[in-house]
Amino acid sequence: DAGVTQSPTHLIKTRGQQVTLRCSPKSGHDTVSWYQQALGQGPQFIFQYYEEEERQRGNFPDRFSGHQFPNYSSELNVNALLLGDSALYLCASSLGWFNQPQHFGDGTRLSIL
Amino acid sequence: QKEVEQNSGPLSVPEGAIASLNCTYSDRGSQSFFWYRQYSGKSPELIMFIYSNGDKEDGRFTAQLNKASQYVSLLIRDSQPSDSATYLCASIGSSNTGKLIFGQGTTLQVKP
Repeated sequence: DAGVTQSPTHLIKTRGQQVTLRCSPKSGHDTVSWYQQALGQGPQFIFQYYEEEERQRGNFPDRFSGHQFPNYSSELNVNALLLGDSALYLCASSLGWFNQPQHFGDGTRLSIL
Repeated sequence: QKEVEQNSGPLSVPEGAIASLNCTYSDRGSQSFFWYRQYSGKSPELIMFIYSNGDKEDGRFTAQLNKASQYVSLLIRDSQPSDSATYLCASIGSSNTGKLIFGQGTTLQVKP
């Protein structure tokens, strides 16, 4: 039973660049949520996708955008990267969005130089 | 006031002891609560979830929920050095959006 998979594992970018992170949900899951985790902090919710639509968004600027594909996989795009975007980006999947436990992938470590 | 609060620790317990991790939340309408374990440099791993008042046990882990006091706890019995990690408490608020709201985590150290 494949768990949540994310790619790439690590990424180094410079300020102003754009990045795309990818996520495949756990088998049988249809909902994908993205979180940003800074060092020493709990994850912060970015947005959630269900039925290929963004159904909920956290307090992140429009530079953060995403997409969900018909096979439930998802992408997170960040434009005009800032130093403060350096963090661990986590994808979580669940079966449905209502009160369901979310399972996390291994994350993508993004470093901005 | 933060929506979900945890003592950052570190909480240090001897091997074999009971570790008690606590979490409070501000949204009285929150319905779902989750405990995640996160080893250094790794991603969060779901270990327990609880929806109803009372206790829920799974192996060495017990989650306790008291909605009247807006308090959630995680007990780890017979603590092992491998339990040393950061434990994150999370809730889904009254809006039931599916958005997890995390505390900052409590670091647990189990000493042999």
